[in-house]
Amino acid sequence: NAGVTQTPKFQVLKTGQSMTLQCAQDMNHEYMSWYRQDPGMGLRLIHYSVGAGITDQGEVPNGYNVSRSTTEDFPLRLLSAAPSQTSVYFCASSYSSVSRGYFGPGTRLTVT
Amino acid sequence: GQQLNQSPQSMFIQEGEDVSMNCTSSSIFNTWLWYKQDPGEGPVLLIALYKAGELTSNGRLTAQFGITRKDSFLNISASIPSDVGIYFCAGTSPQGGSEKLVFGKGTKLTVNP
Repeated sequence: NAGVTQTPKFQVLKTGQSMTLQCAQDMNHEYMSWYRQDPGMGLRLIHYSVGAGITDQGEVPNGYNVSRSTTEDFPLRLLSAAPSQTSVYFCASSYSSVSRGYFGPGTRLTVT
Repeated sequence: GQQLNQSPQSMFIQEGEDVSMNCTSSSIFNTWLWYKQDPGEGPVLLIALYKAGELTSNGRLTAQFGITRKDSFLNISASIPSDVGIYFCAGTSPQGGSEKLVFGKGTKLTVNP
């Protein structure tokens, strides 16, 4: 049981590049979500999903896309990276609500 | 949107001291959660509170869900060096048919041996 896994652990992008942050969980959780963490800002919700095929926006969704084709995977896409997206990104999953979330180890993204 | 005010921002204490931190909000929450984050890691759930007035302990940690459902506190007794980290409060409330988790900005704890 690996829990919540995220790849890559570190990434450097140039402005305008695109990439996908991967998140997978092997706990058969319905709920999955993406957060970004910036210094002094706590964790802010980007997008979340209540099950395969269902996604919704969180607090800071602009510049990010998500999809949920399977229960296990919840990738986060940056279509055109901007320096303001430099942050640490965490994926989380839970059984029946985001209140019992298990967090992944994070992806540290730098956009130059 | 809903906001959580977490205090203090940082604490510097001696090993063995007790610690207290709290979260307040102008909004009502259905659930209060306390997480700890170690450097380079994701947050780990310490305590979850589901009812107003609930008092829950987890080892040296004690947390309470405020009666008004707008606040919560976390106490750590007899601190040890491994308590160092950032502690986050978080609250959930129904929004659009599901629950969203809102985080406070964290309390950074430093324990001097």
